[in-house]
Amino acid sequence: EIVLTQSPDTLSLSPGERATLSCRASQSVSSNYFAWYQQKPGQAPRLLMYGESSRASGIPDRFSGSGSGTESTLTISRLEPEDFAVYYCQQCGSTPWTFGQGTKVEIK
Amino acid sequence: QVQLVQSGAEVKKPGASVRVSCKASGYTFANYGISWVRQAPGQGLEWMAWISAYTGKTIYGQKLQGRLTLTTDTSTSTAYMELRTLRSDDTAVYYCARGSTGISHYWGQGTLVTVSS
Repeated sequence: EIVLTQSPDTLSLSPGERATLSCRASQSVSSNYFAWYQQKPGQAPRLLMYGESSRASGIPDRFSGSGSGTESTLTISRLEPEDFAVYYCQQCGSTPWTFGQGTKVEIK
Repeated sequence: QVQLVQSGAEVKKPGASVRVSCKASGYTFANYGISWVRQAPGQGLEWMAWISAYTGKTIYGQKLQGRLTLTTDTSTSTAYMELRTLRSDDTAVYYCARGSTGISHYWGQGTLVTVSS
């Protein structure tokens, strides 16, 4: 099973700042099979990024993704108030498909 | 628009079974698969399994294999998740999500399953 480790666990930032979230895999995963989700309290997850750097429908361009092999990075260029949430990475290149433990982006 | 509407909350006793439904609309059901993901209270996301709505092919995670069965009914565009021999640590919100692969573009609203004696 591929284990995904996200860092940091919590990111304390102010609106307008840049957020960089990391996801490291225990084995190499094709970048085509990485995804990032956002989840707010009481809501279902929402797909943000998938593949090498594709944004899901309706996702603003302040969200971007990069990485390959064993590492994927989600960047939020300028945090908006609605971006404070928990973010999960996922790999579906090798079964069982797995999620990282999540990174909480909180208001500083 | 694509919608996945799940059945309502369930309360079950240990050892019982639960079946959660996920009714799809706004797209051709057979063209995509459905993943099931759960989230225990205050915890992260756990991928459970995936089913092709077209072929019925399933991929199960090892943790629940043997207790979990996924099915689909293409005539009603509905996916089903049945979990048997429930334990207290199966208490979670269960989500269905649409995706040809494991990448889930659309999610249901979630169904809370509580296992308690």
